[in-house]
Amino acid sequence: EPEVTQTPSHQVTQMGQEVILRCVPISNHLYFYWYRQILGQKVEFLVSFYNNEISEKSEIFDDQFSVERPDGSNFTLKIRSTKLEDSAMYFCASSGGQGAHEKLFFGSGTQLSVL
Amino acid sequence: ELKVEQNPLFLSMQEGKNYTIYCNYSTTSDRLYWYRQDPGKSLESLFVLLSNGAVKQEGRLMASLDTKARLSTLHITAAVHDLSATYFCAVDYGGSQGNLIFGKGTKLSVKP
Repeated sequence: EPEVTQTPSHQVTQMGQEVILRCVPISNHLYFYWYRQILGQKVEFLVSFYNNEISEKSEIFDDQFSVERPDGSNFTLKIRSTKLEDSAMYFCASSGGQGAHEKLFFGSGTQLSVL
Repeated sequence: ELKVEQNPLFLSMQEGKNYTIYCNYSTTSDRLYWYRQDPGKSLESLFVLLSNGAVKQEGRLMASLDTKARLSTLHITAAVHDLSATYFCAVDYGGSQGNLIFGKGTKLSVKP
């Protein structure tokens, strides 16, 4: 079964450093998302992306965050200057393939630790 | 602001028993989702409920949606240990595709 893949699975960084989290969505999907989950808390929407532009973003997704689809397969989340409170599990998701318009498929996540 | 509330947040049950997890949400929504998450793992889609009265079943799990009451239930029948996980409901509030508002999750522990 097709799946969303994310790399790396774990990322440790120093506060103030830039990080890029990478995702390969399911190949025929059209909508892409980033969510995050702080340890023990609920999953929170960050941003949705369609047709090479941001469709919607949450309050969490401030100027320190950006997304990009640099080629036909990758979808990245960049955090320009990480803060301690950015430590979380970041999930990429995709949807909008044939017959799967409503269902979001999540990747296995990148655990980001900001020290 | 759309709020999604699940209860209970923690549920310990014995194998073979039945139980229901409730998900209330505060405004109208087109879609309601149930996800399962094992510790340290990603979110596995269980059900997508698209209309009032929708009922879907998969194995020992059955989900239903009452849009008038703004309530969804996830019913567990004859629980087994393998069902131990955290279950999230999520509501698509009608913004752009895929902006889901998640509940806090129900951590289910099924004991032999």
